[in-house]
Amino acid sequence: DVKVTQSSRYLVKRTGEKVFLECVQDMDHENMFWYRQDPGLGLRLIYFSYDVKMKEKGDIPEGYSVSREKKERFSLILESASTNQTSMYLCASSSPTGGNQPQHFGDGTRLSIL
Amino acid sequence: GENVEQHPSTLSVQEGDSAVIKCTYSDSASNYFPWYKQELGKGPQLIIDIRSNVGEKKDQRIAVTLNKTAKHFSLHITETQPEDSAVYFCAAMEGQTGANNLFFGTGTRLTVIP
Repeated sequence: DVKVTQSSRYLVKRTGEKVFLECVQDMDHENMFWYRQDPGLGLRLIYFSYDVKMKEKGDIPEGYSVSREKKERFSLILESASTNQTSMYLCASSSPTGGNQPQHFGDGTRLSIL
Repeated sequence: GENVEQHPSTLSVQEGDSAVIKCTYSDSASNYFPWYKQELGKGPQLIIDIRSNVGEKKDQRIAVTLNKTAKHFSLHITETQPEDSAVYFCAAMEGQTGANNLFFGTGTRLTVIP
């Protein structure tokens, strides 16, 4: 089974702090994704990556950046945290092999910015 | 880009009854449609998916139907049980760009009343 592990389940940070959310997958997947989940809005794509050192903006990249130095690890960075970034953050991975493939999700990091 | 709408946002059924969740999509190039179940405190888990060359797919009590002409697809759960209570998300994947990005609906909170 694919395992996507997010380093923290809950995180509390202060406004203006630089925040790092880490995600590791164990299936050698090329594709990795960061979403935020808010009530009534579903999952919205922040950034994704198709390969090491490669990144692409999703639908809501403002205020975020990402890093993919190794294939198994994809980090989401909040450069200067703000209260409107309080949310559930979900990481996912998938393989591009064999056509369209499902994304596999971690259990999320619930981030609160005070 | 793709736009996925999902209805209803909440659904309550008696144990043993059926539940139906409906989604529409806008991009006729979309060709892959997964459904995810998200239980409290966990990330979304894939429960069933369908590709555009198939009109229906079943897996025990769960079935998905796809109408490409009308651009809608539905999740059917029969003989519902309390453990089916969760938030369900539909999604669509674009086929033309070669990207592996999913576009999600806003979710349906299903409650199965014992």
